[in-house]
Amino acid sequence: NAGVTQTPKFRVLKTGQSMTLLCAQDMNHEYMYWYRQDPGMGLRLIHYSVGEGTTAKGEVPDGYNVSRLKKQNFLLGLESAAPSQTSVYFCASSYQASGANVLTFGAGSRLTVL
Amino acid sequence: KNEVEQSPQNLTAQEGEFITINCSYSVGISALHWLQQHPGGGIVSLFMLSSGKKKHGRLIATINIQEKHSSLHITASHPRDSAVYICAVRESGGGADGLTFGKGTHLIIQP
Repeated sequence: NAGVTQTPKFRVLKTGQSMTLLCAQDMNHEYMYWYRQDPGMGLRLIHYSVGEGTTAKGEVPDGYNVSRLKKQNFLLGLESAAPSQTSVYFCASSYQASGANVLTFGAGSRLTVL
Repeated sequence: KNEVEQSPQNLTAQEGEFITINCSYSVGISALHWLQQHPGGGIVSLFMLSSGKKKHGRLIATINIQEKHSSLHITASHPRDSAVYICAVRESGGGADGLTFGKGTHLIIQP
């Protein structure tokens, strides 16, 4: 089925460990986004990409890195996980810039950092 | 940065009731989105609008650009409509990262 796939769906890390979240889309979308969702707060943009090989910082980029080596994949990395990074992470993609076109979201990845 | 406020934060209603969720924002926008998130689930885009009104099934979204306000209405509500409804706006001239999200309205429809 067409859409946005995130892996893994759940992960528990210890403080200081590293991990990578993978987002894959098969809709040939140019724009891809990583958001985090925390209780009592709206979705916040971590990093985004406007095309293969490009990335940019969003509202809350500290502690995260991203890569977009292939158009269909957008990876979010945590180099040294901290408890403050416990959150639900959503990947999204769109044909045009978010706002100018509807976003398609992945199912989310729940990350717990102990 | 745009401030997006949704009301109410929580809403419990009986099946069949007419539901209204409100969204107000502080700065001029080029588009407004309504999203739906089911418990433990992903996020689905319901509407994107920049003026007037859109309808899809039992859902209706309206926007008043002058008043900086949008409403999402659900007619003949059903327990399966129970979800968090999120409003998001794109500022006029906003770039690729230009969406600001509200905190969501948690709707429960009781049978």
